[in-house]
Amino acid sequence: DAKTTQPNSMESNEEEPVHLPCNHSTISGTDYIHWYRQLPSQGPEYVIHGLTSNVNNRMASLAIAEDRKSSTLILHRATLRDAAVYYCILRAVGSGNTGKLIFGQGTTLQVKP
Amino acid sequence: NAGVTQTPKFQVLKTGQSMTLQCAQDMNHNSMYWYRQDPGMGLRLIYYSASEGTTDKGEVPNGYNVSRLNKREFSLRLESAAPSQTSVYFCASRGPGGSPLHFGNGTRLTVT
Repeated sequence: DAKTTQPNSMESNEEEPVHLPCNHSTISGTDYIHWYRQLPSQGPEYVIHGLTSNVNNRMASLAIAEDRKSSTLILHRATLRDAAVYYCILRAVGSGNTGKLIFGQGTTLQVKP
Repeated sequence: NAGVTQTPKFQVLKTGQSMTLQCAQDMNHNSMYWYRQDPGMGLRLIYYSASEGTTDKGEVPNGYNVSRLNKREFSLRLESAAPSQTSVYFCASRGPGGSPLHFGNGTRLTVT
């Protein structure tokens, strides 16, 4: 069973903020929440990750719900280069510290000019 | 820094042939992973290795074997290739704790 649930697709207009949601109701206390994105014909690239607190970096912000059962990746001003598949993943339940990382289907983000 | 290096970039096999996909990382990471990605699909975990000398099955291990030769290298072998194994294969490595995955550029494999 998938460990995270994301919408299949989302659309945004260029220069507008984008909020990409992810549900992870079975998250355990030691699981980190990671976000990756995959541009067309490329390998996935790391975007951001967090444990409990909200996180910011030059690419995006990560807002984590207080109960940690959901999170939101925020792109503050979408550009055409942000059109990609965005994956929210967390350490598989029961894997302890072995770091088994399962990807779901991700959200395909379309950015309209 | 090279990061994660995968070879070859492209490969065409006939059904029944064997081959080994190579992966090496220079970041001193303990954990390494092999994923496959079919057209229009997400990534699926084939095998992973939490440390040198250990390997574990992922979601789709059938038809594959792996070897963690040393801390740097993690190879994926197809003993008898099948058309269903046509895919793009990604290797990744990761540091400790919540460290992010670092991916290679992928190997595009076609089995005819």
